[in-house]
Amino acid sequence: GDSVTQMEGPVTLSEEAFLTINCTYTATGYPSLFWYVQYPGEGLQLLLKATKADDKGSNKGFEATYRKETTSFHLEKGSVQVSDSAVYFCALSALREGGKLIFGQGTELSVKP
Amino acid sequence: DAGVIQSPRHEVTEMGQEVTLRCKPISGHDYLFWYRQTMMRGLELLIYFNNNVPIDDSGMPEDRFSAKMPNASFSTLKIQPSEPRDSAVYFCASRPSSSYNEQFFGPGTRLTVL
Repeated sequence: GDSVTQMEGPVTLSEEAFLTINCTYTATGYPSLFWYVQYPGEGLQLLLKATKADDKGSNKGFEATYRKETTSFHLEKGSVQVSDSAVYFCALSALREGGKLIFGQGTELSVKP
Repeated sequence: DAGVIQSPRHEVTEMGQEVTLRCKPISGHDYLFWYRQTMMRGLELLIYFNNNVPIDDSGMPEDRFSAKMPNASFSTLKIQPSEPRDSAVYFCASRPSSSYNEQFFGPGTRLTVL
């Protein structure tokens, strides 16, 4: 079945450091890909998305490119802030199953001043 | 506009008790999803509805769990009897049929079964 694999955390960075969180997927067809963010004690918020190969999703300085050839959707940010501390989830939308989301295990990011 | 509404936000109960979680999807969204988040298993889909009809309940862990959607604006997830291993955060999400591209999540219900 479809699946998503993320790099394990926690990831600890200093403010203004470069961030990469790796995400790869296995899926039938061409799913849409997502990054969701969960701040402490809160629900899930969509951070960015990409719906087809070579699409780049971007939001709040974060970017990710849908790479079909490597089945990847890595999250990047050039300069992280303390306020970016959260758990980040990579997900795909299972097209044949009502668009249900299949999530990676989540990566906790901690940014220190 | 109101987002997805879940209640209660926190629930603490004792083993063996019945627990009911509630969700109000965004108006006009005809897909509704229930997810569970645990440390061990991460985020996993329990069940989803389309136009109030359960479509896939293969993620429901066992017969103690049941979900209903009596109308387009309300869904419940019931656990009877509850067990400590049911302790988790339960999220409800909804989306319109016109788009696979975003599900809108509620704030979640944190359930603790003692």
